[in-house]
Amino acid sequence: QVQLVQSGAEVKKPGASVKVSCKASGYTFTTYYMHWVRQAPGQGLDWMGVINPSGDSTTYAQKFQGRVTMTRETSTSTVYMELSSLRSEDTAVYYCARADYGGSGRYWGQGTLVTVSS
Amino acid sequence: DIQMTQSPSTLSASIGDRVTITCRASQSISSWLAWYQQKPGKAPKLLMYKASSLESGVPLRFSGSESGTEFTLTISSLQPDDFATYYCQHYSTYPYTFGQGTKLEIK
Repeated sequence: QVQLVQSGAEVKKPGASVKVSCKASGYTFTTYYMHWVRQAPGQGLDWMGVINPSGDSTTYAQKFQGRVTMTRETSTSTVYMELSSLRSEDTAVYYCARADYGGSGRYWGQGTLVTVSS
Repeated sequence: DIQMTQSPSTLSASIGDRVTITCRASQSISSWLAWYQQKPGKAPKLLMYKASSLESGVPLRFSGSESGTEFTLTISSLQPDDFATYYCQHYSTYPYTFGQGTKLEIK
């Protein structure tokens, strides 16, 4: 069965970077794009960007341009999302989601809480 | 960017009620719209894709429709498990924006 397993919770100081991983299993890793979505406490869902695990191409939301980098490692079927220059507003749960049916998120990771605090 | 305007933000209803949640896109997205259900502390769950296609395993009381740039999620007869927050998301062109969410509460 399809599984997306994310790395554990992180606590970071303002100005630092965080790298969250999402390990895929149960399907051919390079077949489906992977999206990243975040959710601040008590807030809605915020689309961050997408990576094509086959060709490593990426598209990022404008608000994260320059601060986010999405990469993949095909040998381990893992995608990564790195966010730099962290500020308190980046405190959120970060999710990876496999894009099916043309782009909707059919399978989701369990989420990774990133807390930014001095 | 395409904006998704979702309404209402909160909806109070009773078991057995028929409820409707609406999402309006700021421009044409064809039928590239998904609906998700999210419960506290959990990842979103896909309910509908391509506006009106029911995801496997989702109860038949959920349905989706579209009229131009307006999209609707209908729950025909509310069950206790349906009280949650619902989001729409377009996936027409990047960025794939979400609606603001609708919290469905027990009346």
